Amino acid sequence: QVQLQESGPGLVKPSETLSLICTVSGGSISTYFWSWVRQSPGKGLEWIAYISYSVSSSYNPSLKSRVTISLDTSRNQFSLKLSSVTAADTAVYYCARVKGTYFDSWGQGTLVTVSS
Amino acid sequence: DIQMTQSPSSLFASVGDRVTISCRASQNINSYLNWYQQKPGKAPKLLIYAASSLQSGVPSRFSGSGSETDFTLTIISLQPEDFATYYCQQSYSTPVTFGQGTKLEIK
Repeated sequence: QVQLQESGPGLVKPSETLSLICTVSGGSISTYFWSWVRQSPGKGLEWIAYISYSVSSSYNPSLKSRVTISLDTSRNQFSLKLSSVTAADTAVYYCARVKGTYFDSWGQGTLVTVSS
Repeated sequence: DIQMTQSPSSLFASVGDRVTISCRASQNINSYLNWYQQKPGKAPKLLIYAASSLQSGVPSRFSGSGSETDFTLTIISLQPEDFATYYCQQSYSTPVTFGQGTKLEIK
């Protein structure tokens, strides 16, 4: 059974870059697509980006100019970088596996607060 | 972007009840519709994919139906552990989008 675990700073200053890593265990990252989804406090779910083992990627246009997603097959990890953050980027960030056309496995989520 | 609209936003029901949650897409998404359950402080959990396919391990009291723009999640014989928030999600085109959620609460 695949497991995903997010890690990274819980507090980021405005205008800085948010960096998160998702570590995948119980399965190879060299198959499937992998994604980031966030959920702002009291709000719904927002897809950020996904990446595949062939390193093709897709981004939400609303965030594309600030987002980078990458894959590290040697460590079985994938990462998210979101630049120039503001308070609006405060959210719980989830990593998830994309199987076919759905998110079938999720990390537990990590709260990132943007504040000085 | 494809807009997903769920109704109702909240729903009160009792253990043993049958409930339905609706999800409407702003354009035809064929059957590229998934349903998730989320409990407080937890990640979403996949229930239904491709509109009507039950994810492995999910109880059979959950079912999904619909196509094109109108979809329904049905839960028969509600159990205490079913009180949660439910989201629909379209995967027909990027950006992937979710509904705003339906909070199912105990009456």
